[in-house]
Amino acid sequence: DAKTTQPTSMDCAEGRAANLPCNHSTISGNEYVYWYRQIHSQGPQYIIHGLKNNETNEMASLIITEDRKSSTLILPHATLRDTAVYYCIVSLLLNAGNMLTFGGGTRLMVKP
Amino acid sequence: DGGITQSPKYLFRKEGQNVTLSCEQNLNHDAMYWYRQDPGQGLRLIYYSQIVNDFQKGDIAEGYSVSREKKESFPLTVTSAQKNPTAFYLCASSILGQNYGYTFGSGTRLTVV
Repeated sequence: DAKTTQPTSMDCAEGRAANLPCNHSTISGNEYVYWYRQIHSQGPQYIIHGLKNNETNEMASLIITEDRKSSTLILPHATLRDTAVYYCIVSLLLNAGNMLTFGGGTRLMVKP
Repeated sequence: DGGITQSPKYLFRKEGQNVTLSCEQNLNHDAMYWYRQDPGQGLRLIYYSQIVNDFQKGDIAEGYSVSREKKESFPLTVTSAQKNPTAFYLCASSILGQNYGYTFGSGTRLTVV
């Protein structure tokens, strides 16, 4: 699986958009980009995933560059409850032998 | 509601004792996973199972054991051979052949004194 690079930490003002970048320059054509977040002392929570096209759901938007070497997770109106560690993961389809590998992630602090 | 349940949430044990962490899911997911998380770190895979009565070692399996006698259950035993067992343990499950990722439990925080 391709490795990802994320900033260690970021701050965001409450009510503003939080834009979390992820670099995955070695991603292969059939690897998906997943985003999870982990609030302190809880299990990680699935946010969104995509392959090539931009995706949006009730939690966030995922913007994937045309060359697929990087992506950005957008929380459109960050709240204090969005303070968490955000993990960007690339993985093949979850068939036998394929796993999600969680790196260090980005620690997002939403401030009043 | 369907979900994945880990129990207990907090667990204290004396050094040298084996301890078993419970993980149960009613999502009818094929695969189940155990991760370990140390403070300020990412998740490291201990064991995974993709079918009943079969499981595979992850990156840090030494000192741990698992069983998968039922599809719904994947208990993890932390043995006395694990040198540094104090950590946050997370269980997850997934459907194979899809791309919706994992569902995680709420974790068990194990402290060995």
